[in-house]
Amino acid sequence: DQQVKQNSPSLSVQEGRISILNCDYTNSMFDYFLWYKKYPAEGPTFLISISSIKDKNEDGRFTVFLNKSAKHLSLHIVPSQPGDSAVYFCAASFNSGGSNYKLTFGKGTLLTVNP
Amino acid sequence: NAGVTQTPKFRVLKTGQSMTLLCAQDMNHEYMYWYRQDPGMGLRLIHYSVGEGTTAKGEVPDGYNVSRLKKQNFLLGLESAAPSQTSVYFCASSYAGWRLAGGRRQETQYFGPGTRLLVL
Repeated sequence: DQQVKQNSPSLSVQEGRISILNCDYTNSMFDYFLWYKKYPAEGPTFLISISSIKDKNEDGRFTVFLNKSAKHLSLHIVPSQPGDSAVYFCAASFNSGGSNYKLTFGKGTLLTVNP
Repeated sequence: NAGVTQTPKFRVLKTGQSMTLLCAQDMNHEYMYWYRQDPGMGLRLIHYSVGEGTTAKGEVPDGYNVSRLKKQNFLLGLESAAPSQTSVYFCASSYAGWRLAGGRRQETQYFGPGTRLLVL
């Protein structure tokens, strides 16, 4: 049962254009969502997050949109740069009331930004 | 401030051999995690720890053991390696506090560079 889905294994865009990476989730208990970026031979690095009380969060060229009714979030990168080429993971969590906060990850989307 | 470090970076094992992967963090994080990443599978949680001396099973714990004797270290052990354990292993850590500076919640995990393990 895959609770966080990234249905596009890969995405290719031109430098300067917008990149849109999508993520769907099935567990309505999720209330916090994160995007991680991963370069080859490196660990994932935190990129941006959003709480379920918001529908948009922006950080420089990166914006995450959350549509709770559709259980969908997306990451927009504008403008895209060749250095953005990486695998992007979507992750989600919920506060179960306990003291352990686990993340559920999607399978990732490989973004290639062509010069 | 090195963040999260992992030792070794790469290792080749024969089936049946044992080894321990070491994770260390210098951020004073309470929580630590071990993941494995396989092609097309994303990141899957093996074991995690919410504090010194405590561990718990994640999504794929079979064939692995862990220990957290010190707050800054989290060890992942393979007692008898199998080819199915060929993977890239990532350690991560996070705060346990309710709210962080900038409103970033404690679920934000910080990852090490990974250990690539090949079991023949």
